[in-house]
Amino acid sequence: NAGVMQNPRHLVRRRGQEARLRCSPMKGHSHVYWYRQLPEEGLKFMVYLQKENIIDESGMPKERFSAEFPKEGPSILRIQQVVRGDSAAYFCASSTGTGDEKLFFGSGTQLSVL
Amino acid sequence: GESVGLHLPTLSVQEGDNSIINCAYSNSASDYFIWYKQESGKGPQFIIDIRSNMDKRQGQRVTVLLNKTVKHLSLQIAATQPGDSAVYFCAEAIGGTSYGKLTFGQGTILTVHP
Repeated sequence: NAGVMQNPRHLVRRRGQEARLRCSPMKGHSHVYWYRQLPEEGLKFMVYLQKENIIDESGMPKERFSAEFPKEGPSILRIQQVVRGDSAAYFCASSTGTGDEKLFFGSGTQLSVL
Repeated sequence: GESVGLHLPTLSVQEGDNSIINCAYSNSASDYFIWYKQESGKGPQFIIDIRSNMDKRQGQRVTVLLNKTVKHLSLQIAATQPGDSAVYFCAEAIGGTSYGKLTFGQGTILTVHP
């Protein structure tokens, strides 16, 4: 049973470019969460999605960031016009959403903005 | 704002010793608490969780204690091994539909010396 799959593992972008981070949840999981981790800090919640629905995006920056979880395919976290402050590790987690609250995290995408 | 924090940022122990990692939380509305282990370059790995209607829960070599009176959470690792070396995060959540919206603490670096 494959875990949460994220790709790419490392992503390098220049300022002003777009970054797309992908996340495939664990098999049987329909709830996806995105978190951001700055160096030597804990993870910060960004957004919670179910298939085709954004449930809670209270942790998302108001501009340049968006997330989706389409009916088919992986969840995508999109960052437009990246700036150096966007450099961080972005983690995706999934859960069944059936009352089992355990989150399982992927290995993350390390975004570096030059 | 309210947040989860840790008393000790680093902890060094000898192999075979018991380790205790502490965490303070301030949101009295939180009713679900989790400990995660994060190794370098990897995503957080679930260790153990506890709901607020319990004060102790045991797993394999790990025990989590919850003291709601003083808003304190601890993780005890028995017979610590070099493979336990990692950063340990506590996290809290408010139940209902928000179990996956976790607030993470700063993290404690555990180093186990052979």
